[in-house]
Amino acid sequence: DTGVSQNPRHKITKRGQNVTFRCDPISEHNRLYWYRQTLGQGPEFLTYFQNEAQLEKSRLLSDRFSAERPKGSFSTLEIQRTEQGDSAMYLCASSLTAGDSGNTIYFGEGSWLTVV
Amino acid sequence: DAKTTQPPSMDCAEGRAANLPCNHSTISGNEYVYWYRQIHSQGPQYIIHGLKNNETNEMASLIITEDRKSSTLILPHATLRDTAVYYCIVRSPGRYNTDKLIFGTGTRLQVFP
Repeated sequence: DTGVSQNPRHKITKRGQNVTFRCDPISEHNRLYWYRQTLGQGPEFLTYFQNEAQLEKSRLLSDRFSAERPKGSFSTLEIQRTEQGDSAMYLCASSLTAGDSGNTIYFGEGSWLTVV
Repeated sequence: DAKTTQPPSMDCAEGRAANLPCNHSTISGNEYVYWYRQIHSQGPQYIIHGLKNNETNEMASLIITEDRKSSTLILPHATLRDTAVYYCIVRSPGRYNTDKLIFGTGTRLQVFP
């Protein structure tokens, strides 16, 4: 499968623990996005990388959240001191650099987080 | 904020065409209309996109009005597997833009037998 891969698919953690999600984008895609989705809502943008540079962060990305893409390939999203409100599906997406007509953004299957 | 307005839900009989409307009255000249769908518990799936002209691919057709203030996604022969939430998104592409997708709450399409 050459699509966007996310791990783990499901994670249950106790409040206060740290969790880390990994995203492997489609090969050669230099743009990578993280989204969060809660029940009944559309995905919400969290942050975006162009290669290894994190170029935009949403205000939703509190200081407990950190995302990295050290070599411009895979990315990690870490949540420190998790809270129950962090329970959501975390989506990763990737694309090539958009030209004037745009390039399709492809999503992974998401990582479900439940904080108990 | 999302720049589109969609009905919250729609029904369609299996085998019939599903026509999903979207209003985007503030769309700019260089902005595209994208459609994604999300089947329960899965990641969003790209369907189609367009700028001015109508577009068709193996999944659907996209009809954009001449003033570009609204569009309709057409699934010509809906099946039960088309039951999903459909998102209409206005996107500003460009090499120097973030180019992110801003989702609204979409239309929940229920296809019934």
